[in-house]
Amino acid sequence: EVQLVESGGGLVQPGGSLRLSCAASGFTFSSYWMSWVRQAPGKGLEWVANIKQDGSEKYYVDSVKGRFTISRDNAKNSLYLQMNSLRAEDTAVYYCAREMATSIDYWGQGTLVTVSS
Amino acid sequence: QSALTQPRSVSGSPGQSVTISCTGTSSDVGGYNYVSWYQQHPGKAPKLMIYDVSKRPSGVPDRFSGSKSGNTASLTISGLQAEDEADYYCCSYAGSYTPYVFGTGTKVTVL
Repeated sequence: EVQLVESGGGLVQPGGSLRLSCAASGFTFSSYWMSWVRQAPGKGLEWVANIKQDGSEKYYVDSVKGRFTISRDNAKNSLYLQMNSLRAEDTAVYYCAREMATSIDYWGQGTLVTVSS
Repeated sequence: QSALTQPRSVSGSPGQSVTISCTGTSSDVGGYNYVSWYQQHPGKAPKLMIYDVSKRPSGVPDRFSGSKSGNTASLTISGLQAEDEADYYCCSYAGSYTPYVFGTGTKVTVL
């Protein structure tokens, strides 16, 4: 059974940093592109970033470029999202997600990030 | 990339059919046969219901079907059931640099 478990969310002040983690199990993690997708409270889904199987390619939505960094450790079956210079508009539930070619097929339960003073 | 356009809400009685539209552009929906649909119940993670426009993952009831014409994709739920009440989001592949564009979301209400 595919499982994705996020951690690391919480309350942070504007301008602060946070590192999200995602522990993957139930599949060969190193064989899949992985993504982070977020959902602001009461709002829709927004793709944030993704990373190739070996970490050699990474892509970001324009609003987080230069502030967020996606990474992975295939030996630990883990995905990460380093978030710096956080803004109020980054407040959201962040989902770790597995990609299946040209769609996302599995999602974690999400971790809430709140940016507020 | 702008979000794909979906109706805010649709509703139907048990047993009826409802269709949700998802309108994009030639850079996303119209440019690729890679539209997916997700069901999300309150407080839960999204669940893949349709991928590659019309394919159903294992375990998804055949009451759910997808199609596409030009820049608009559609999700049809036939034989509506109470458990189908949820938010539904479309998603289109849009190229390597911004691979996924999501729709604005549609709330399905079972009357």
